[in-house]
Amino acid sequence: KAGVTQTPRYLIKTRGQQVTLSCSPISGHRSVSWYQQTPGQGLQFLFEYFSETQRNKGNFPGRFSGRQFSNSRSEMNVSTLELGDSALYLCASSTRTQNTGELFFGEGSRLTVL
Amino acid sequence: EDQVTQSPEALRLQEGESSSLNCSYTVSGLRGLFWYRQDPGKGPEFLFTLYSAGEEKEKERLKATLTKKESFLHITAPKPEDSATYLCAVQAVREYGNKLVFGAGTILRVKS
Repeated sequence: KAGVTQTPRYLIKTRGQQVTLSCSPISGHRSVSWYQQTPGQGLQFLFEYFSETQRNKGNFPGRFSGRQFSNSRSEMNVSTLELGDSALYLCASSTRTQNTGELFFGEGSRLTVL
Repeated sequence: EDQVTQSPEALRLQEGESSSLNCSYTVSGLRGLFWYRQDPGKGPEFLFTLYSAGEEKEKERLKATLTKKESFLHITAPKPEDSATYLCAVQAVREYGNKLVFGAGTILRVKS
């Protein structure tokens, strides 16, 4: 069974640009969550999507947005990039039916903002 | 605000030297406490879910326990392959879905 796939794995952008990250969940998983991981703040929740609807949102500015498609694939977008947006962005999927907190994470997209 | 504090930040053990990692939490109504393992360059990997004080879960050399204020991850006779960052996370009852609050993690190094 294929795991969670995130693309691209690495990318470099400059301040002011925007970026789109993609996540393909495990087949059959309808929930996709996004987390930001930095050395200083650790793992922080960005948002969760289920059946194309945003069900939960973390404390991030409106520059961070996402969406989910009918096949459960998800994208997140960061506009007007700032240096502080440099991080590992992790996507996680789950069946969500049991709410066990068992998330299956991808390997992440490492974003560097120059 | 929900908070998770893990200690120590880093731990070095000799192979076979048992120890424990601590996770202290503050949450208004605990739905669940979770342990994850993260290897360098990888995403976190789920280990355990604990729901109520007194509960224990085991997997190979790992055993997780839960009280009303903290959780421990006991590592018995660790091996070098147990080296990783161990993350603790909580979910509040009021939260809907899969919003977890993570601690900063404990970096474990096991030397042979």
